[in-house]
Amino acid sequence: GNSVTQMEGPVTLSEEAFLTINCTYTATGYPSLFWYVQYPGEGLQLLLKATKADDKGSNKGFEATYRKETTSFHLEKGSVQVSDSAVYFCALGLREFNKFYFGSGTKLNVKP
Amino acid sequence: NAGVTQTPKFQVLKTGQSMTLQCAQDMNHNSMYWYRQDPGMGLRLIYYSASEGTTDKGEVPNGYNVSRLNKREFSLRLESAAPSQTSVYFCASRYSRSTTGELFFGEGSRLTVL
Repeated sequence: GNSVTQMEGPVTLSEEAFLTINCTYTATGYPSLFWYVQYPGEGLQLLLKATKADDKGSNKGFEATYRKETTSFHLEKGSVQVSDSAVYFCALGLREFNKFYFGSGTKLNVKP
Repeated sequence: NAGVTQTPKFQVLKTGQSMTLQCAQDMNHNSMYWYRQDPGMGLRLIYYSASEGTTDKGEVPNGYNVSRLNKREFSLRLESAAPSQTSVYFCASRYSRSTTGELFFGEGSRLTVL
């Protein structure tokens, strides 16, 4: 089947710390991979994406590389800010793209 | 740019009452989705509509009905609300012919069933 597993939170970091949120997937086809971010009281926003193996998605200092050999798409940022506090969702979309599969979300708290 | 608009943003119902959540998008997307978000469970797909005139069940369709009114609008109806339907509901849309095809989300509708 198709599924996404991401590390449970909450993750609490100090400002300027390095962030990694792990995400692994299983898929029957050739998925595209996404990271979405949800700020308190808001909907999900696309953070970054990668459509094929070895692609690197990046945005706002966040990066993730599509690793087919390890079926992973880990989210990283070199120096987090308080404003990065949010819930992060890893997701996959299949080629037919009528369905997306989301991880359970990882809450990030960044302290000043 | 309005994007995906959901109404209402908040609603409180009593068990057994009915209501409809409205969703409209102005991005000319062909596919639309309804998800529910519950603590610790991520997003679960209720129904989706791949194109105007078609709807399909997702992961958790029981207790819900949908209508794809036209290309812009996709409504979700609860005929007889139950406390288990207390959740935050998100509508999303995408252009399915795009190679990337990411989802665009509304701001959510928070529903409480007493």
